Amino acid sequence: GENVEQHPSTLSVQEGDSAVIKCTYSDSASNYFPWYKQELGKGPQLIIDIRSNVGEKKDQRIAVTLNKTAKHFSLHITETQPEDSAVYFCAARETSYDKVIFGPGTSLSVIP
Amino acid sequence: DTGVSQNPRHKITKRGQNVTFRCDPISEHNRLYWYRQTLGQGPEFLTYFQNEAQLEKSRLLSDRFSAERPKGSFSTLEIQRTEQGDSAMYLCASSLLGGDQETQYFGPGTRLLVL
Repeated sequence: GENVEQHPSTLSVQEGDSAVIKCTYSDSASNYFPWYKQELGKGPQLIIDIRSNVGEKKDQRIAVTLNKTAKHFSLHITETQPEDSAVYFCAARETSYDKVIFGPGTSLSVIP
Repeated sequence: DTGVSQNPRHKITKRGQNVTFRCDPISEHNRLYWYRQTLGQGPEFLTYFQNEAQLEKSRLLSDRFSAERPKGSFSTLEIQRTEQGDSAMYLCASSLLGGDQETQYFGPGTRLLVL
C-alpha cells in the first residue's frame, strides 16, 4: 500500500520568510495529493491540493509542486504570518482504494 | 456553515465501557470516512462508506470497533470494551464522489480518553 513520508517534522521560521515542507510517496499509481493544516484541537482543514496531471499549483501565498518521476511533492508558503503556525499534513490518495494516506506531519512555528 | 459535525467533542470513559460517536457529513456528500489520530501522528484510515455501504475496513479496525451509516446520512462509530490504547482523536470526513474532485472535508473530531 501507499506510504507517505514528510520532512521536516518541525520547522521554525521568522515572520515574512518562506517555509518549505517536502513529502515523498511510494505508490506510483497515486494521483491526488492534498495538503491539510491542523490547528490545536481542530480537525484538518484542506489548504491546497494537486492532481498528478499538474506540476504546480498556486493559491495566493501557498504553492504546491509535484514531481511524479521522483514521487515527491512540496508545499511552499511565502511571506509567512504567525497565523500560519500549525501542523501541516501532506497526503496521497491510493487509486485502488480511494483512501487517503497521510504523512506524519510538520509542526510549523512562525516567530513574530 | 453546514460543514462536517461530530458529537461528542470529548469523551472520557473507563476501560471496559462502550462508547459511541456520531458524525454528520456535509449534506450532499455520499462518502464518509473515519480516521483515528494519535498525538504527533497523521490521521490513520479506519473505514469508509459510500452511501450506506461500508466499502473498506482497515486492519486497525479490530472486532471491538463497528461503524454504521444506516440511511446513508449520519454515521456512528462504536467501540466496545474500550482499552487505554483506544485513547485518540477520532475524525470523520466526507466527500462527494463523482466529477473531477473528491476532496475530503474533516469534522472537528471526538477526543477519547480511556482511563
